[in-house]
Parts: sequence; structure tokens; C-alpha cells
Amino acid sequence: GQQVMQIPQYQHVQEGEDFTTYCNSSTTLSNIQWYKQRPGGHPVFLIQLVKSGEVKKQKRLTFQFGEAKKNSSLHITATQTTDVGTYFCAVNRRDNYGQNFVFGPGTRLSVLP
Amino acid sequence: SQTIHQWPATLVQPVGSPLSLECTVEGTSNPNLYWYRQAAGRGLQLLFYSVGIGQISSEVPQNLSASRPQDRQFILSSKKLLLSDSGFYLCAWSDGRTANQPQHFGDGTRLSIL
Repeated sequence: GQQVMQIPQYQHVQEGEDFTTYCNSSTTLSNIQWYKQRPGGHPVFLIQLVKSGEVKKQKRLTFQFGEAKKNSSLHITATQTTDVGTYFCAVNRRDNYGQNFVFGPGTRLSVLP
Repeated sequence: SQTIHQWPATLVQPVGSPLSLECTVEGTSNPNLYWYRQAAGRGLQLLFYSVGIGQISSEVPQNLSASRPQDRQFILSSKKLLLSDSGFYLCAWSDGRTANQPQHFGDGTRLSIL
């Protein structure tokens, strides 16, 4: 079945440093989504990428979809303590029944003040 | 606007007891509905999803079941809980009218089995 991998599993950074998490799929993707889960909270949708090579920005966050549509990255510039949480990528999967999502294992980000 | 409600927020149950977690969505019709389980510090495991009333797809064989008695109601159940059923259970919905729609999660239920 479809596998989604994320690296690193954990990342500890000093406030102000940059952070990047990578998402890799074993198959070509139609789209990819990114979610953030704060400690003790639920995942919150951040963005969706659809086109090959697409780059989208949200303030200090930059999302990129690979040219081959098999990988994606999330880059945070100058991290802040509010960036703490786990970042998940998710890919859409359709089967004979309907559509569902496969989530990566997540990258947990800690930001030291 | 659409909202999703999930309850209870926390639950402590003995091994072998039954379980019923409820999730309701407001402000949309015919949503796709999902149940996930998340172990502490781990990723999201899809348990069940539904594209319509009475239509449930089970992703992982286990002693849990799901039902969708109404369009915007999704229930997760068990007849006899196991220790391994502990975790954070999340309900989510997405727009069922088009593909590739983002998911919106409820606040989750933290289930502890003693």
C-alpha cells in the first residue's frame, strides 16, 4: 500500500533558527496537505499543494511540492515558540469505496526560547 | 460556518467495558466522516471512514466498530475494550462533494483503559 514517510522524527531548534521537515511518498501524488498539531490539541489544516513544483508561502512558512510529485517540504524561517507542535503531511487516497487520507508519522518540533 | 463536536473530552474505562464515542458535524451536508486513533507521541491511524449514511469502510481489523445513523453523526463503539485501545481518538470531516478537500478535526477524546 501507499507509504508516506517524514523526516526528521524530532527536531529541536533554538528560537530564531530555521526548520525544515520533509515528506516522501512511495507513489506519485495527486496532491499533498500539511497539518499542524499543537501539544494537547488536534491537527489543523495548513495548506494543500496540487501542482508539480508548486511553492506556497504563509508568512514564515514555505511549502513546496516536488517536481515529480513524490515529495514535499515545509520550511519555517526564524522559528518562534508558537511554532511548537507536530507537523504532518497527508496524501489523498481513493479506493473503490471513496476517498480517505494517509498521514505521515509527523515531525515534532521543539523551539527553545 | 461548519463546526464539529466530539465528546466526551476524556474518558477512563475498565478493560472489558463497552465504549461509545459520538461525533456530530453542523453547517454542512453529506460530509465524509473519519475516525482516527493517535497513540501518545505518534501519528494518526485511520480507523474508519464514511461517505454516506450506513456506509462505513474499516481500515484496520480490531474490536472497534463505527456507525453513521444520520448524515452528520458518526459513532465509534466497542463491546469490550482492551488495554491496547487506549489513545487519543479524533473525528474529522471533509467536504464530500469534491475530492482533495482538507479535513477538519474535532477536539478529540482521550481514552484511558485501566
